[in-house]
Amino acid sequence: NAGVTQTPKFQVLKTGQSMTLQCAQDMNHNSMYWYRQDPGMGLRLIYYSASEGTTDKGEVPNGYNVSRLNKREFSLRLESAAPSQTSVYFCASSDTSLGRRATQYFGPGTRLTVL
Amino acid sequence: GDSVTQMEGPVTLSEEAFLTINCTYTATGYPSLFWYVQYPGEGLQLLLKATKADDKGSNKGFEATYRKETTSFHLEKGSVQVSDSAVYFCARLSGGYNKLIFGAGTRLAVHP
Repeated sequence: NAGVTQTPKFQVLKTGQSMTLQCAQDMNHNSMYWYRQDPGMGLRLIYYSASEGTTDKGEVPNGYNVSRLNKREFSLRLESAAPSQTSVYFCASSDTSLGRRATQYFGPGTRLTVL
Repeated sequence: GDSVTQMEGPVTLSEEAFLTINCTYTATGYPSLFWYVQYPGEGLQLLLKATKADDKGSNKGFEATYRKETTSFHLEKGSVQVSDSAVYFCARLSGGYNKLIFGAGTRLAVHP
């Protein structure tokens, strides 16, 4: 049981390049999330998927796209990377059918630098 | 909108000292509350949680009590260890069960 896995762990891009961050979970959770973590700002939600086939914007969606490929996988795409997207990206998943007891479980993160 | 405020760090303590990290939340409904811990170079791990007023979450010697009257969820530990050095995040559920609102995080450094 690996929990939430993310690839790659590190990435360096040049401005304007594109890339896709991959996330998978093996806990049979219905909901998945992408966050970014910046110094002094905690984690901010980029996009989430409440169930297979649905996606919704979070707090900071501009410059990103997502795909919920199936129940296990949720990818985040940067079409044209900008230096402002330099951050650490975390994927998470949750079983929201638990209601108030729902807990989000996080992957190890991807550290992205855009030059 | 919903928010979480936690004390600014860094917090620097000697081993075996008492720890308190303050956390308050906006009182929209009665949200579930969480403390997550992030060790250097790692992702976030759930430390403890509470889902209703007066609940006490506890794990690894850490405790936090859901105080509806003061809209607080302060994290405490009676005797910290060097291995507790990490960043601690307070969070609340918001907007149904799909949004987790985080505080800015508090860095704890424990010295021998």
